[in-house]
Amino acid sequence: QQPVQSPQAVILREGEDAVINCSSSKALYSVHWYRQKHGEAPVFLMILLKGGEQKGHDKISASFNEKKQQSSLYLTASQLSYSGTYFCGTGDRAGTYKYIFGTGTRLKVLA
Amino acid sequence: NAGVTQTPKFQVLKTGQSMTLQCAQDMNHNSMYWYRQDPGMGLRLIYYSASEGTTDKGEVPNGYNVSRLNKREFSLRLESAAPSQTSVYFCASRGQSPMTNEQFFGPGTRLTVL
Repeated sequence: QQPVQSPQAVILREGEDAVINCSSSKALYSVHWYRQKHGEAPVFLMILLKGGEQKGHDKISASFNEKKQQSSLYLTASQLSYSGTYFCGTGDRAGTYKYIFGTGTRLKVLA
Repeated sequence: NAGVTQTPKFQVLKTGQSMTLQCAQDMNHNSMYWYRQDPGMGLRLIYYSASEGTTDKGEVPNGYNVSRLNKREFSLRLESAAPSQTSVYFCASRGQSPMTNEQFFGPGTRLTVL
């Protein structure tokens, strides 16, 4: 089953914060996060491999709670360029090549 | 470096027609993937190839076949297209380690089946 992302969509004003959640019904070993601009291909943001590890990429960071089988993406002080659809990709074991993507979260940042 | 390339960019088929979507990468990556993207469904894995000579089913393989022609190329074939296969198809590749390397996506093929 696909991981479930929440919210499905969110609208922000520039400078506001947002959190996107990714929950799986299966045990997770790793989580990738991607952003896709309209009409373009998804682009990699970051990968998390260990439970509870938090990573950052500019003002975007993420956490991974292996026990809860979920990951969260944190966008702080959002910019117009953050608009797009965010996807989590999950791997259920070490060494897997099979990544299953979540349902996506559409984020729009307004000036 | 062109990265991941896909052909064609757009295609319109009639129900029952067949076609092959082509994908190539020039990054010397071992693993390659085919996804379809439908509104509200996110990216769904059709098939993947962990290395040259191997292919495996993903979440939604029915109605598709794949060929890993060599390390660079991974094609997706629709033998008898159906309207339910109208979608945007993305090919992707990943480097040596599946756990640390990102997936690089191609620009996509927009397929309409009438």
